[in-house]
Amino acid sequence: IVLTQSPDFQSVTPKEKVTITCRASQSIGRSLHWYQQKPDQSPKLIIKYASQPFSGVPSRFSGSGSGTDFTLTINNLEAEDAATYYCHQSSSLSLTFGGGTKVEIK
Amino acid sequence: QVQLVESGGGVVQPGRSLRLSCAASGFIFSNYAIHWVRQAPGKGLEWVAVISYDGSDENYADSVRGRFTISRDNFKNTVFLQMNSLRAEDTAVYYCAKDVTATTPVYFESWGQGTLVTVSS
Repeated sequence: IVLTQSPDFQSVTPKEKVTITCRASQSIGRSLHWYQQKPDQSPKLIIKYASQPFSGVPSRFSGSGSGTDFTLTINNLEAEDAATYYCHQSSSLSLTFGGGTKVEIK
Repeated sequence: QVQLVESGGGVVQPGRSLRLSCAASGFIFSNYAIHWVRQAPGKGLEWVAVISYDGSDENYADSVRGRFTISRDNFKNTVFLQMNSLRAEDTAVYYCAKDVTATTPVYFESWGQGTLVTVSS
């Protein structure tokens, strides 16, 4: 299952809203998860099952979608949110990631 | 808290082998599936392999199947990745990651800090 993220890169000012999309090549239900990777750090889970925030994740992060189209939204962007964001599907035993979306703070 | 510590990375020539280790602590290791995920320099994430809680089931990405073997020692709370016939395209940071289930993969709840493998002559 191929996951296509867009955009590849986004430059945003603090307090703005960021929207990242992830499209699956076939329906995956809600088996879609989002990770945040800051420079020189390991990835961290932020959203599980399309819309469930992981423990300790700030409420400005939210997810939505099902089937083939999913969205990660970051409201009221903060400087610490500068990172690359990846979607990941677990519908197929051959697990796959999206190509990533780099979010830069202006 | 959950801690995963990878080791065993380094520089290796094409065609040679390397064995990575992932030492776990802070949770009941024998209850969870463990994955290896890699990231080539400047690139995205690629899932590599998973092993079930008891080691009875394994699965691999097509890019490594037949060359890599994942295993675990539940007495030592450690997962291994034996990498044979290494290629330049295997150059990456290798992360181990804990799943939230014992068998069927779901998501990567916790990650290690990674170990760098460089395949070069």
